[in-house]
Amino acid sequence: DTAVSQTPKYLVTQMGNDKSIKCEQNLGHDTMYWYKQDSKKFLKIMFSYNNKELIINETVPNRFSPKSPDKAHLNLHINSLELGDSAVYFCASSQGGLRGNSPLHFGNGTRLTVT
Amino acid sequence: AQSVTQLGSHVSVSEGALVLLRCNYSSSVPPYLFWYVQYPNQGLQLLLKYTSAATLVKGINGFEAEFKKSETSFHLTKPSAHMSDAAEYFCAVSEGGGTALIFGKGTTLSVSS
Repeated sequence: DTAVSQTPKYLVTQMGNDKSIKCEQNLGHDTMYWYKQDSKKFLKIMFSYNNKELIINETVPNRFSPKSPDKAHLNLHINSLELGDSAVYFCASSQGGLRGNSPLHFGNGTRLTVT
Repeated sequence: AQSVTQLGSHVSVSEGALVLLRCNYSSSVPPYLFWYVQYPNQGLQLLLKYTSAATLVKGINGFEAEFKKSETSFHLTKPSAHMSDAAEYFCAVSEGGGTALIFGKGTTLSVSS
């Protein structure tokens, strides 16, 4: 009964490839996020969607493209992968948009390794 | 823009000792503050949150934090550390109004027997 589930858990690929990470939440939340955690464990917001609408788009290369087919799903597609994309990518969800007082619920992460 | 600083990237305590993890924030409006814990190879789990109600907030696993506006701090404490508390701890701040949750750089807590 995982609340926020991401697939795959591990992803190893070569430079230049295109890959996708999928995320689904069964909490009934209306807002979903992608965070990137680097090798020093620093967490940085990448994107946020509220009811399928993009509301946060941080300074992220346009090789990264999020897609939200419905409010329970938020996928991340990455084109032309680079070594620097290696990180752990976390999906999260919350209720109530970006009012700030709703905690985020995180998935277990996808560890992406680009060789 | 809001920001958060966690003092001490690594804290080591003995089992049974007091745990104190420091967090200072910067915000232009009254903030919402959170502490999360991350165990190895897992996602982040909410420990506790401050959303302008009581300044002393109790969380899960015996942790609590006190919001001190005058010091712009939100330090996390636990009276007696347990081996299972060893993990990465993140303080986070949000101003609401369309802004995302911003995380500190984390503090690794080690507990020795």
